[in-house]
Amino acid sequence: GQSLEQPSEVTAVEGAIVQINCTYQTSGFYGLSWYQQHDGGAPTFLSYNGLDGLEETGRFSSFLSRSDSYGYLLLQELQMKDSASYFCAVRQTGANNLFFGTGTRLTVIP
Amino acid sequence: SQTIHQWPATLVQPVGSPLSLECTVEGTSNPNLYWYRQAAGRGLQLLFYSVGIGQISSEVPQNLSASRPQDRQFILSSKKLLLSDSGFYLCAWSVGEVNTQYFGPGTRLTVL
Repeated sequence: GQSLEQPSEVTAVEGAIVQINCTYQTSGFYGLSWYQQHDGGAPTFLSYNGLDGLEETGRFSSFLSRSDSYGYLLLQELQMKDSASYFCAVRQTGANNLFFGTGTRLTVIP
Repeated sequence: SQTIHQWPATLVQPVGSPLSLECTVEGTSNPNLYWYRQAAGRGLQLLFYSVGIGQISSEVPQNLSASRPQDRQFILSSKKLLLSDSGFYLCAWSVGEVNTQYFGPGTRLTVL
């Protein structure tokens, strides 16, 4: 089986930096992905880490440590529009599907 | 460019009625296709995925079924809806890289 743990809620101030953590347990591992979902909308792909280290895409970065079974999403220069739910997801070796975490609801306040 | 369509956007159905949700993808060939369900304020639960026409993998036992009659068409069905089938149903596709999935706008189903 597999499991993913994320904080359920995070609140941060506009302009600040926030880190959303994700720890996973899975038999076989083929990468960690991050998705963003605004209220009432569909999830959209943010980033993917197949190897250890940091991946940067604009204000968003994602990090993976396979030895620690841990990753995080880093959001910089927070904007009000970043208020959304963020999901980490893992792919097991040989699988053609993703397993999603329960999501972290980020609230950005002025 | 690729686009994914789902319909209807919202649906209210009585318990015991049948269900058919359709998803189509444009602009790509031989995609992997997925059906997810999301309860209010919860995560995404994978229901079915398909790697090709007529190939369906089921992730959880339920009264739902899926079919893929054409390369870019994925259908979610039920013969008799239960109250617990209420939720936000999302179709998604991927090509090559399973970790990168693209979601449709979803169907919000309420079973009364």
